[in-house]
Amino acid sequence: GAGVSQSPRYKVAKRGQDVALRCDPISGHVSLFWYQQALGQGPEFLTYFQNEAQLDKSGLPSDRFFAERPEGSVSTLKIQRTQQEDSAVYLCASSLSRTESNQPQHFGDGTRLSIL
Amino acid sequence: AQRVTQPEKLLSVFKGAPVELKCNYSYSGSPELFWYVQYSRQRLQLLLRHISRESIKGFTADLNKGETSFHLKKPFAQEEDSAMYYCALHKIQGAQKLVFGQGTRLTINP
Repeated sequence: GAGVSQSPRYKVAKRGQDVALRCDPISGHVSLFWYQQALGQGPEFLTYFQNEAQLDKSGLPSDRFFAERPEGSVSTLKIQRTQQEDSAVYLCASSLSRTESNQPQHFGDGTRLSIL
Repeated sequence: AQRVTQPEKLLSVFKGAPVELKCNYSYSGSPELFWYVQYSRQRLQLLLRHISRESIKGFTADLNKGETSFHLKKPFAQEEDSAMYYCALHKIQGAQKLVFGQGTRLTINP
């Protein structure tokens, strides 16, 4: 594909609703990352997959946040019982990296989530 | 804790003037530093990384371990350089994640 694809581009939900955000990485990319970007801030790491294995979820802010990548390609970030502070842009990135080699991360356009 | 600091949220310079976007980091190991750029209505993209020691679109950045800095420089700014610039630290203690600064919005005035 042309790059990392995220959907939806915009999501509005009422407080308390569950949401699911999708990421389609670049074909063949082993590593996949989720970041959260609040207004006026830089992206902050949420979680990291290598193929289907979630190797780092240290950035997930609470147990309401859950991510999966069951077949090692498409990933879904799910937020349960959304709260207003969850409003942010959620960025997905992928890279070729499977070892310690230095491969750049390629970012999608992000999903802008607004919680009313 | 690992941290990246970009002290200027906004920077405005005139076309043709030199540009320097500051980045300081806090990390006890051997850092890998990157600059990412986001042009208006475009996605975040890699501009350059310190290990490449290359110049991209006229920009350069030198890693100064003594001052823990990775400032981005360009001798003559162009209007198309207007964008958000993020400094990022990679490979925190072996982890794959990027740690970003808060970003600097660069505006080039004609």
